[in-house]
Amino acid sequence: DQQVKQNSPSLSVQEGRISILNCDYTNSMFDYFLWYKKYPAEGPTFLISISSIKDKNEDGRFTVFLNKSAKHLSLHIVPSQPGDSAVYFCAASAGNQGGKLIFGQGTELSVKP
Amino acid sequence: EAGVVQSPRYKIIEKKQPVAFWCNPISGHNTLYWYLQNLGQGPELLIRYENEEAVDDSQLPKDRFSAERLKGVDSTLKIQPAELGDSAVYLCASSRGSEQFFGPGTRLTVL
Repeated sequence: DQQVKQNSPSLSVQEGRISILNCDYTNSMFDYFLWYKKYPAEGPTFLISISSIKDKNEDGRFTVFLNKSAKHLSLHIVPSQPGDSAVYFCAASAGNQGGKLIFGQGTELSVKP
Repeated sequence: EAGVVQSPRYKIIEKKQPVAFWCNPISGHNTLYWYLQNLGQGPELLIRYENEEAVDDSQLPKDRFSAERLKGVDSTLKIQPAELGDSAVYLCASSRGSEQFFGPGTRLTVL
């Protein structure tokens, strides 16, 4: 069973506009959520995270929103830049699992000039 | 600060052959992870080490996969014998806190 789901395999956005990447989860024990960004032939790199005690975390152009009742989180990138084009993975962990991350399938973002 | 180092970056072997991957984590990171990433999917944890102890190997197919981290620093992951379905990217990550840092991965192709 897929505990973390990213239902959009791809997203195309115009430069300067907002990119919104979505993620849903099923396990109510998850209490920490992360977004990773991956370029081709490189490993994922950490982007931003949020604890379940918060509903929003912002870092520059990147904001993550968490809706615990809906078991949904989203990553907003504004304004989007061509260098943001990459695959974005949502990941979740439960405090009693020793940092084990469960990843979604990824969403490929393409930002067009 | 040097990142997580993995080698080789690419490996092509024939089925039934053995293969090994090596990982050197970031200095000072006690926790080391091996992940498997299939095409179009997110990484899936194979094994997690705290220092030299494997604390979570529940997802490691132990009939053909093995791993070690003898001195609590670098680690090797071995497959023997490899099968066609093992073709994937094998990622190593390390952490000292909640953030995991990933290496570039080894892309394995089994023919």
